[in-house]
Amino acid sequence: KAGVTQTPRYLIKTRGQQVTLSCSPISGHRSVSWYQQTPGQGLQFLFEYFSETQRNKGNFPGRFSGRQFSNSRSEMNVSTLELGDSALYLCASSPSGGAGANVLTFGAGSRLTVL
Amino acid sequence: AQTVTQSQPEMSVQEAETVTLSCTYDTSENNYYLFWYKQPPSRQMILVIRQEAYKQQNATENRFSVNFQKAAKSFSLKISDSQLGDTAMYFCAFAAYSGAGSYQLTFGKGTKLSVIP
Repeated sequence: KAGVTQTPRYLIKTRGQQVTLSCSPISGHRSVSWYQQTPGQGLQFLFEYFSETQRNKGNFPGRFSGRQFSNSRSEMNVSTLELGDSALYLCASSPSGGAGANVLTFGAGSRLTVL
Repeated sequence: AQTVTQSQPEMSVQEAETVTLSCTYDTSENNYYLFWYKQPPSRQMILVIRQEAYKQQNATENRFSVNFQKAAKSFSLKISDSQLGDTAMYFCAFAAYSGAGSYQLTFGKGTKLSVIP
């Protein structure tokens, strides 16, 4: 059974650009969550999607957005990139709910560097 | 808001020895879940162990066990017979219901564990 797949694994952008990251969850998983990991702030929750609907959102500016498709694949977008957006972006999937009764399975992450 | 505190940024342990990683949390919730995740240098976050707050019995998974003290809001991880492959960042995490069928994880800052041959 394939795991959570994130693409691209590495990318470099410059300030002001935008970026789109993709996440393919485990087959059958309908919930996809996104987390940002930085050395200073640690791991922070971005948002969670379930059945193409965002049902939870962390404390991030509106430049961070996401969506989920009918096949449960998810994308997140960051517009007008800032240096502070440099981070490892982790995607996690679960069968239905977010963490809790359901265990999250994480992908390997997408490493974004903003120059 | 929930907070998770890991007071040990770095720890080391000799191979085959036992080590305990500390975690405390703060919440007003009564029903929640606690986790320990491991992140090796390869970056893949892997679940080590999970504890439901309503269960008094401490969870165990092979060499990994927890000491869950609900009143003290403490959730430590014990690794027995440490192996070189245990070298990783270990994150303590808390999950509570946040509405609309959703939960979210709140993570601690992590403890970097090095297993020394």
